[in-house]
Order: sequence, then structure tokens, then C-alpha cells
Amino acid sequence: AQSVTQLDSQVPVFEEAPVELRCNYSSSVSVYLFWYVQYPNQGLQLLLKYLSGSTLVKGINGFEAEFNKSQTSFHLRKPSVHISDTAEYFCAVRRNYGGSQGNLIFGKGTKLSVKP
Amino acid sequence: DGGITQSPKYLFRKEGQNVTLSCEQNLNHDAMYWYRQDPGQGLRLIYYSQIVNDFQKGDIAEGYSVSREKKESFPLTVTSAQKNPTAFYLCASSIGAGRGASREQFFGPGTRLTVL
Repeated sequence: AQSVTQLDSQVPVFEEAPVELRCNYSSSVSVYLFWYVQYPNQGLQLLLKYLSGSTLVKGINGFEAEFNKSQTSFHLRKPSVHISDTAEYFCAVRRNYGGSQGNLIFGKGTKLSVKP
Repeated sequence: DGGITQSPKYLFRKEGQNVTLSCEQNLNHDAMYWYRQDPGQGLRLIYYSQIVNDFQKGDIAEGYSVSREKKESFPLTVTSAQKNPTAFYLCASSIGAGRGASREQFFGPGTRLTVL
């Protein structure tokens, strides 16, 4: 079955330090990959997406992610975090199918906590 | 501005009552989705609709119902049959739902439902 695993439920980090949020997925077919951010009591906002082409994808707020097909991973990185990056981050995968098999599957989220 | 609106932001329900959560989008998207979010569980799909007058059950449809009479509207009813309805509910939409569509989803701000 299709699944998405976010390897860390919580990641504490100090301000201006680099961070990596890890995401692995299982799929035997081509996929589209997404990272979303959610601030408290708000909806989800798209950070970045991989559809095809370059495996290094740049998004908003200085985030980037690298698609690694052989390791079925799509880790999110930022070289220097700010207090304002404190939020929950969700990785999502869509298999290239039609119908219900092509719906987004979300990971359980990683809470990033940036400390001063 | 184009976007998705959800109302109300907070909703309180007595046990045994049905309640309806509103979701409206002016993005001209064909597909709409309802998710339930509980702490530490990520997003779980309740119902989705790929086109007007058609909708399909997601992973946790029991105790919920939807309608899709207009392209821009996708209301969710939480019925008394839903045993544990207290949660954060998110509505989303995407341009298409076919095999080639990215299905990048745009989210509303959410409705927090509390059963008293």
C-alpha cells in the first residue's frame, strides 16, 4: 500500500542553525511530491513541489527539497532557520494514477520548533 | 482574491446533533476534498469530489455526508453517527483529478469542531 513516512515527529533546533526534515515514501510507480507547512490553527500552505525535471526543488521561505528516486526520499532542508519557521510540516505523495489511487497521501507531520 | 473559505472557524455541537461545515472556493477548481486532522495523525481523507454532482468516500467516511450541487461549494455534514467528531476539519481543492494532473491542493483555513 502507498505510504508516506516522516521519520521525526518533532525537531527542535536553534535559530540560524540548518535543519532537515525527512520524508520517505513507498511507491512502485512515478510520483508527484509535495511539502506543506501549517501554522497553529490554520490551513496548509504549499512550500514546494516536485513534478518532474530537476531533482532539487526550491520553494518559498528559503526551503528546498531533493527528490531521490533510488532512496524514495524527499527531504526538506533550510540552511538557516528563523523563529517564524516554527510550524508543523507535512510531506505528501501522489501516485500518477487517475481516480482515487491518485489522491494525495499525507505523512503524519513533523513539528519544527525553533528556539532563540 | 481567489481562495477557499470555510465557515464557521469554531463550531460547538451537542451530542446527537448534526452539524454542517461550509466550504466555498472561487478558484474554478474541479476537485474538492474534506480532511480530518487529529493531533499526531496527519490528515485523513473523509470525502472527495472530482466533479459536480459526484463524490466518493475517502478513508474515514463513516458518520459523514457531503453534497456537490455547485462547482464552488462542497459542504460537509457531521452526523450523530460519528462517534468522535471533535477534530480540526480542512477543506481543499485542486485543478483536476485526472491521471496527468498534479493535484496540488489548496487549503482553506479550517473549522475546529468541538462536541460538548
